[in-house]
Formats: sequence, C-alpha cells, structure tokens
Amino acid sequence: QVHLQESGPGLLRPSETLSLVCSVSGGSLSSYYWSWIRQTPGKGLEWIAYVHKSGKTNYNPSLKSRATISIDTSKNEISLTVTSMTAADTAVYSCARHDYGDYKGGLGVWGRGTAVTVSS
Amino acid sequence: DIVMTQAPLSLPVTPGEPASISCRSSQSLLHSNGYYYLDWYLQRPGQSPQLLIFFSSNRASGVPDRFSASGSGTDFTLKISRVEAEDFGVYYCMQGLQTPVTFGGGTKVEIK
Repeated sequence: QVHLQESGPGLLRPSETLSLVCSVSGGSLSSYYWSWIRQTPGKGLEWIAYVHKSGKTNYNPSLKSRATISIDTSKNEISLTVTSMTAADTAVYSCARHDYGDYKGGLGVWGRGTAVTVSS
Repeated sequence: DIVMTQAPLSLPVTPGEPASISCRSSQSLLHSNGYYYLDWYLQRPGQSPQLLIFFSSNRASGVPDRFSASGSGTDFTLKISRVEAEDFGVYYCMQGLQTPVTFGGGTKVEIK
C-alpha cells in the first residue's frame, strides 16, 4: 500500500524559502500525477501545483510564480519550494496522488501533511 | 478560477439518519468526454482528506455504498443514506476540470 510522508522545516522567517519533500513508499511515482495542497483555517484547501514524471507541471497563479515543483523517480520523492515566504503562507502542506490518469482531481492518496509556520 | 460553493456550512445529524450536502460551481464541470469533473472528500478530525467520489458519482475504492452522489452542470449533491459514527467530519467538493483545481469551503457534519 502506497504511503506518502511529507517533511519540512516547521518554522521559517519571513522572506525565507520553503523546501518540502514528499517521500513515497510502497509504490512507484511513474504513471501518476502528484500534487501539493495546503490548508489553513482561514482559506481552507488550496491546490498549489502538480507534476508528472514526464516533466509536465502546472501551478496555481495565486502563488505568483514563487513555487517550483519537481519529481525525482530515483529517490521516489516529490519536492516543492516556495520563495519569499510570508505569514500568509503559514499552513499545513500535504502531497497527494492523482489516481485516475490525467484527471486533475481524484486525489486518492494523501500524506498526513507537515505544518509550516512563518514568523519573525 | 472556478468558484465552488457548498451548503450548508454546518449539518447536525442524528446517527442513523440521512444527510445531504450541496455543491455548486461557478461554471459547468462537464468535460468533453461526458464526465463531470467533480470530487467529494471527507476530512475526519486530525486526518487528511479522503476521496469518496470522483467524476461526480463514482465511489472510490473501499467507500461504503451508503454514500451516493449525483449532479450535472453546476449543481451536485452528496448523500449519506444513514450516517454512522465514522462519517462525522468536514466534507469538501473539488473541481478537477481546469487549473487551478479549486475546493469548496467545506460542510461540517456533526452529531446532533
């Protein structure tokens, strides 16, 4: 059974860069699209970006080009970096797998998420 | 962006009774392949969201048949025939028709 585990710094200062890793075990990254989603009490669930092993990516314009998603099939990892972090980026960040081909919904497997706080 | 609106915000339910949640999108979610690109998720306290329904009416693997969903165009409904203890939590609809993928604000199903 596939398992996703996010890891990150926990606490960042404003203007710093966030680097997150989603480690995938029990399954292959191939053939699936993978997304990062974040959740806050105020804004709810917000999709950030997706990536495919083919190199295809797509981003939410709300992050104004601050986000970069990547995939490393040799390490079975999906990564996300977000530059110029502010308090508004404080959230729980989760990775998830799209289970139905190139359908951009169908998030059938989720990690537990990692909390990121931006504070001086 | 496609805006997803759910109702009600909160739904008190007695265990064993039915429940129904509505989701409306700001534009049609009909794909050219004939499917409606709408999902339903349940997020239990302290957990990540769990996929219940994809393509508007298809139950994901392992989802009990007390969950059913329907809809077309911009109006969609999730129904639970008899709410059980494990069904309490926050339900979200999500559109996967176009990026950015967007979620509804959530409906909290709580014990009455």
